[in-house]
Amino acid sequence: EAGVAQSPRYKIIEKRQSVAFWCNPISGHATLYWYQQILGQGPKLLIQFQNNGVVDDSQLPKDRFSAERLKGVDSTLKIQPAKLEDSAVYLCASSLESTANSPLHFGNGTRLTVT
Amino acid sequence: TQLLEQSPQFLSIQEGENLTVYCNSSSVFSSLQWYRQEPGEGPVLLVTVVTGGEVKKLKRLTFQFGDARKDSSLHITAAQTGDTGLYLCAGFPSRTYKYIFGTGTRLKVLA
Repeated sequence: EAGVAQSPRYKIIEKRQSVAFWCNPISGHATLYWYQQILGQGPKLLIQFQNNGVVDDSQLPKDRFSAERLKGVDSTLKIQPAKLEDSAVYLCASSLESTANSPLHFGNGTRLTVT
Repeated sequence: TQLLEQSPQFLSIQEGENLTVYCNSSSVFSSLQWYRQEPGEGPVLLVTVVTGGEVKKLKRLTFQFGDARKDSSLHITAAQTGDTGLYLCAGFPSRTYKYIFGTGTRLKVLA
């Protein structure tokens, strides 16, 4: 089966600019996750979708970050305006459902550098 | 609040040595997963532990889930340079649908 697809692979922007990331999960996976990973640290959950509804977005900085999954399939994550501390890898993952029996499958991430 | 704390944060050892990585929480988890992540890639699942006290082996890797399902450990026997990477524990805290990761352990095995 095709894996989780993410684009772009790399992005360099200046602070205060906007940026968007795209994720296409594995076909049939109801749950989609966006994580932010600072170099060398564990991923931090930004937002978790179940189909097109939000399960958790408690750690999403909503003043600058937004995410949508309108048709319950692919998803976009946007940052506007970007700050220097947003430099990180943004990982997308999907699973069949939000339970312990459904392992997560990850994309290779988008590396964002904010200068 | 970080619910899953890993130790050590960094580990640099010689090939052939043994090591243990710990994953601790004050919360109960219905199961825990361990992942390895290499630079430029997403985490890759190694194992899932479900039952308190469970021990699982994957070649030279031994995973244990604590009796109270609040902690886990990963032991590597005779480490190889190919074991180098970032090791992550993760799971759903009981009664939540939010999947969280530990703080990570960066392992470097030197030839």
